[in-house]
Amino acid sequence: GAVVSQHPSRVICKSGTSVKIECRSLDFQATTMFWYRQFPKQSLMLMATSNEGSKATYEQGVEKDKFLINHASLTLSTLTVTSAHPEDSSFYICSAPLGQGGNQPQHFGDGTRLSIL
Amino acid sequence: GNSVTQMEGPVTLSEEAFLTINCTYTATGYPSLFWYVQYPGEGLQLLLKATKADDKGSNKGFEATYRKETTSFHLEKGSVQVSDSAVYFCGAQGGSEKLVFGKGTKLTVNP
Repeated sequence: GAVVSQHPSRVICKSGTSVKIECRSLDFQATTMFWYRQFPKQSLMLMATSNEGSKATYEQGVEKDKFLINHASLTLSTLTVTSAHPEDSSFYICSAPLGQGGNQPQHFGDGTRLSIL
Repeated sequence: GNSVTQMEGPVTLSEEAFLTINCTYTATGYPSLFWYVQYPGEGLQLLLKATKADDKGSNKGFEATYRKETTSFHLEKGSVQVSDSAVYFCGAQGGSEKLVFGKGTKLTVNP
């Protein structure tokens, strides 16, 4: 069964709306989670590393004020796309490593398809 | 940091054909290597992994061997099925490094 749950799976909203996406680790604690954006030609771009109890680490070129990340507990990270515009439409995926140590495989949520009209 | 280069697709095969998707990596040290699969409309699922040189990861008939001498982790399957149609991502992750992916290879298997 799924070990990482992502919600919602699909969002359609008007331009200017803020959208929150949740990523939960099921039955395990994740001090670190990752947020990716997938573009139409399938490539995955790491947006940021979500750190429980501290600020997220953003990749170069990712707007911190646009993509707000909060990791309030050991099982929940949220990504908020603020004042979304059509160019923010994309497939967003979160992941979390199952276990300690830098070489643990990532487990991914099922993704959120965001469509901004 | 680590980087991964994988064969760009799309790859189209007939059912029961042999599959190879090439993947090479660059890394300082010895990363763990992964293959992930993404079915249409879904997130990524771990397909197989290898954590050290000469390890062979295998799952669902897919195999990949960690080759240090050629810095490769090619994915193979002897006989593909229509249900294997998906996008395949090669990944490398080591120590405190983030997981890095190749660009993905879309596989379509026709009956």
